[in-house]
Amino acid sequence: DTEVTQTPKHLVMGMTNKKSLKCEQHMGHRAMYWYKQKAKKPPELMFVYSYEKLSINESVPSRFSPECPNSSLLNLHLHALQPEDSALYLCASSQLAPGADTQYFGPGTRLTVL
Amino acid sequence: AQSVTQLGSHVSVSEGALVLLRCNYSSSVPPYLFWYVQYPNQGLQLLLKYTSAATLVKGINGFEAEFKKSETSFHLTKPSAHMSDAAEYFCAVSDARGYGNKLVFGAGTILRVKS
Repeated sequence: DTEVTQTPKHLVMGMTNKKSLKCEQHMGHRAMYWYKQKAKKPPELMFVYSYEKLSINESVPSRFSPECPNSSLLNLHLHALQPEDSALYLCASSQLAPGADTQYFGPGTRLTVL
Repeated sequence: AQSVTQLGSHVSVSEGALVLLRCNYSSSVPPYLFWYVQYPNQGLQLLLKYTSAATLVKGINGFEAEFKKSETSFHLTKPSAHMSDAAEYFCAVSDARGYGNKLVFGAGTILRVKS
């Protein structure tokens, strides 16, 4: 099973709201990722967790706060977002295998900030 | 830094025709290369990946890609297009760091299949 699940599928929030995105995988993968994809653009990496520790932060604004409660779960906490943060947020996971470590993507959460 | 360039933001083919989507990479080390497909409002699905084991890589749904070091290319092909192949295709290179891999994506190519 190569499934990564994400909830919710759609989210609409105001600029003063606090919300969270959730990602889950049960493949025993040791790395989990958050990507942001704007319309008509490729995904861009935001964060990487390896062995439940934040290993890569691509200079993401602090209004995005990732959390990895355990090896199967990854959250993205959102606070005081801007309309330009509206995008498809993709979660992925990988084994952290040497070489061509394959990332498996979830279906994404479509976020709209009003 | 590693990067990939996809030539052609849109490609249109007739059903049954050859599909050729172009990807060139830039890397100072032997690259790990991937092709992903994205259907509208969905996540990315892996089509195939280059691991240096073989230069011709076969993937899902009849797609394959050939790694050519001399041309720094990893073009994606399919002998006969099907309507269901209409989607956006991304070439990506892995910046493997050992503690998590950063995938660097090309700009994407939207494939249209005409009946």
